[in-house]
Amino acid sequence: EPEVTQTPSHQVTQMGQEVILRCVPISNHLYFYWYRQILGQKVEFLVSFYNNEISEKSEIFDDQFSVERPDGSNFTLKIRSTKLEDSAMYFCASTEGIGDYEQYFGPGTRLTVT
Amino acid sequence: EDKVVQSPLSLVVHEGDTVTLNCSYEVTNFRSLLWYKQEKKAPTFLFMLTSSGIEKKSGRLSSILDKKELFSILNITATQTGDSAVYLCAVVNAGNMLTFGGGTRLMVKP
Repeated sequence: EPEVTQTPSHQVTQMGQEVILRCVPISNHLYFYWYRQILGQKVEFLVSFYNNEISEKSEIFDDQFSVERPDGSNFTLKIRSTKLEDSAMYFCASTEGIGDYEQYFGPGTRLTVT
Repeated sequence: EDKVVQSPLSLVVHEGDTVTLNCSYEVTNFRSLLWYKQEKKAPTFLFMLTSSGIEKKSGRLSSILDKKELFSILNITATQTGDSAVYLCAVVNAGNMLTFGGGTRLMVKP
């Protein structure tokens, strides 16, 4: 069964450093998403991406965040200058289309900022 | 702002019990409601509901949506220890953005 994959599974970085989280969505999917879940809190939407541009973004997704689809398979989330409060589990998701389509989630990347 | 509220926050039952998890929502341009099960990491999909009154079933799990009263329930019958997880409700708006509730933590004791 096709699945969304994410690397790395765990990333530890120092405050102020840049990190890139990587995702490989399901191959025929067209819409891609990033979510985050701070420990003990709810899953929060960050951004959606379609046709090589951002479709929607939340208030959390400020100027320090960016997304990119650098090639035909990867979808990345970059955090330019990490802060302690960026520590969270980051989930990538993809869906085949817009509308009544299930969002498939990847296993997540746990980001720890020290 | 879209909002999803789940209740109860947590629930402890014994194997064989039946549980009902609740999800109420307020969303602009509602498209669908999703239920997910989250054990250790990624949420795994259970149900997608778009129409009122139509029950979706999968084994011991079932769910229904009421778009007039803006809520959904997830039922689990004959619970097993493997059902222990956090159950997440999320609503999808017209922009395909998911807003999650805080989840219900279910623990099923042997």
